[in-house]
Amino acid sequence: ETGVTQTPRHLVMGMTNKKSLKCEQHLGHNAMYWYKQSAKKPLELMFVYNFKEQTENNSVPSRFSPECPNSSHLFLHLHTLQPEDSALYLCASSRRTGTNEKLFFGSGTQLSVL
Amino acid sequence: GESVGLHLPTLSVQEGDNSIINCAYSNSASDYFIWYKQESGKGPQFIIDIRSNMDKRQGQRVTVLLNKTVKHLSLQIAATQPGDSAVYFCAEGQGGAQKLVFGQGTRLTINP
Repeated sequence: ETGVTQTPRHLVMGMTNKKSLKCEQHLGHNAMYWYKQSAKKPLELMFVYNFKEQTENNSVPSRFSPECPNSSHLFLHLHTLQPEDSALYLCASSRRTGTNEKLFFGSGTQLSVL
Repeated sequence: GESVGLHLPTLSVQEGDNSIINCAYSNSASDYFIWYKQESGKGPQFIIDIRSNMDKRQGQRVTVLLNKTVKHLSLQIAATQPGDSAVYFCAEGQGGAQKLVFGQGTRLTINP
């Protein structure tokens, strides 16, 4: 148990579907992140939220839409995805200190787009 | 641009032996380095970190070595156990966690 919970663990969706990924952190952190992990590629940062405000969008296509209603919850809304979007989507959180910040990851949602 | 990479994509060791996983980084301004372990079906788990003002840091069965001269980072695992089988990532950064840049990962397999 890492303190970061992601649901669902697995998701299969068609290109015309709309689905949402959910993340919840129980660590009292104030920053939350979405990462994409593809086979044979390094972790790719997608979005960053600090104190519920989005502070980074790493050139992510608009078919991915994040939402952060509070410091403990983070969503990633998905619509009209492409097969190349199939990947493991990881949520992470951290305590913003400005230095020596560690990321704590959830177990991820394995997404398959058909 | 800056990048973090691992010398070897796979590493096989005998159970009980020591493992050494290497990482090269290119951003000389990086001042913070982390090792993560990712087991199958799980997210990356923090193992150990080190700041650039240190050369070595030890944890429980793990040691991280930092050589800033050649921009090299290594993770040493003592007396490797089956539970150590995983993919190991290094990451470099400066300042906040959103600045962390991850390497591709090395898969460590343990032979009985």
